[in-house]
Formats: sequence, C-alpha cells, structure tokens
Amino acid sequence: DVVMTQAPLSLPVTLGQPASISCRSSESLVYSDGNTYLNWFHQRPGQSPRRLIYKVSNRDSGVPERFSGSGSGTDFTLRISRVEAEDVGVYYCMQGTHSPWTFGQGTKVEIK
Amino acid sequence: EVRLVESGGGLVKPGGSLRLSCAASGFTFTSAWMSWVRQAPGKGLEWVGRFKPTTDGGTTAYAAPVQGRFTISKDDSKNTLYLQMSSLKTDDTAVYYCGWELQGGLGYWGQGTLVTVSS
Repeated sequence: DVVMTQAPLSLPVTLGQPASISCRSSESLVYSDGNTYLNWFHQRPGQSPRRLIYKVSNRDSGVPERFSGSGSGTDFTLRISRVEAEDVGVYYCMQGTHSPWTFGQGTKVEIK
Repeated sequence: EVRLVESGGGLVKPGGSLRLSCAASGFTFTSAWMSWVRQAPGKGLEWVGRFKPTTDGGTTAYAAPVQGRFTISKDDSKNTLYLQMSSLKTDDTAVYYCGWELQGGLGYWGQGTLVTVSS
C-alpha cells in the first residue's frame, strides 16, 4: 500500500498568518491517465471530513481562495494564506491513484 | 443538493453482523462510484471499500482488513448503498462514512454512523 506521510502532525498557528502542511507519498501518484489524484480534507471536531482540494491544486466548490494546493509526483503541500478561526481542526491528505486509497495521519491545526 | 445519510450503526458483539445503509439524493446515483470510509475513535481515516456502478463493471473492491468479511452492495431503485459487515472484531469499532467519489476522491460525505463492537 502507498504510505502517505504528513508533516507536521501538530501545527499551532496565529490568526492572519500563513500556514502550510506537507504530504509525501511512498510512490508516485501520477496515474496512467496523466492525472495526479491527491486530495486534501479538513475535519472539524465532531464533523464529517470535507474535501478542500482535488487533483493536487483544484479547489472544491465553496472552498475559500485562501486554501491552495501544490506539488507533483510524491511531494505535495497545502497552504493557507491567512489562517482564520474556522480553519482549526485536522487536515488529511489522501491518494486516489493506487488501490487501496490511503490517507495521511492527519495534521491538527490549532490557534496559538 | 447532494445528501448522504448513513444509518444502521449500533452496538454488536464480536463475531456478530450488522448492515449499514447510506441513502443518497441530489445526484444520479445509478452512475455514481461510491465508497465507505471509517474512523476509529480518536484516530485517522481509513478507506474500507468501493462500489463501481454497473456502467463501469459493477465491481467492488475492499481494503485488506475487511476483505472477505464486508460486502458492499447498491440498490439503485432505492438510491441506497449498503455495507454488510460480518465476523465483526473490536478493531472494527469506528464511525462509518459513505461518500460519493468524484475526481479521484470523496467529494461528498455523509454524517457517519457509529459501530461499536464490544462484548
């Protein structure tokens, strides 16, 4: 199985400041169709996960522009340009290229 | 509006069985790729399995920990996805989410249903 490794696992952030989370895969996530199926999810306490980003850098409908994704091959990054209070929670990367799908361990974002 | 509503969770003894349901609305269910994902208490997310629609082969795939014990099925007439779980273990205790697969990931999630396996 493809192993997804996130860093850091805990991220204290200051409101209004930028933040970034790294995600590395044990194998390339480029699929045979040329797409890279790397997703980012956000889960607030007590809620279901919500997808923010698909195929590395595409924002889902309704996701604020302060969220952006980048990367290629095996190295990926989620960036928040200016953290807001509603951004707290756990962020997960997930690969949909290889079966079985696998998730990162999660990065807990909290306000300093 | 897309809605996914899971039900059927509860307390079951080790070795027992349970069937979860996921009622879908707001999209064309017959052609939808659907998945189940679970989350053990205080832990991360784990993909459980998927159902491909008939138009794409009508096949299923499962994660290794549940292969042979869990079965995913779909009733298009009821717009409902099912997860039949048998030979349950304490490690299967988790919130189970169903989701609609879009663009290589779960674009929509249900609210989840809690399954507790305990004697």
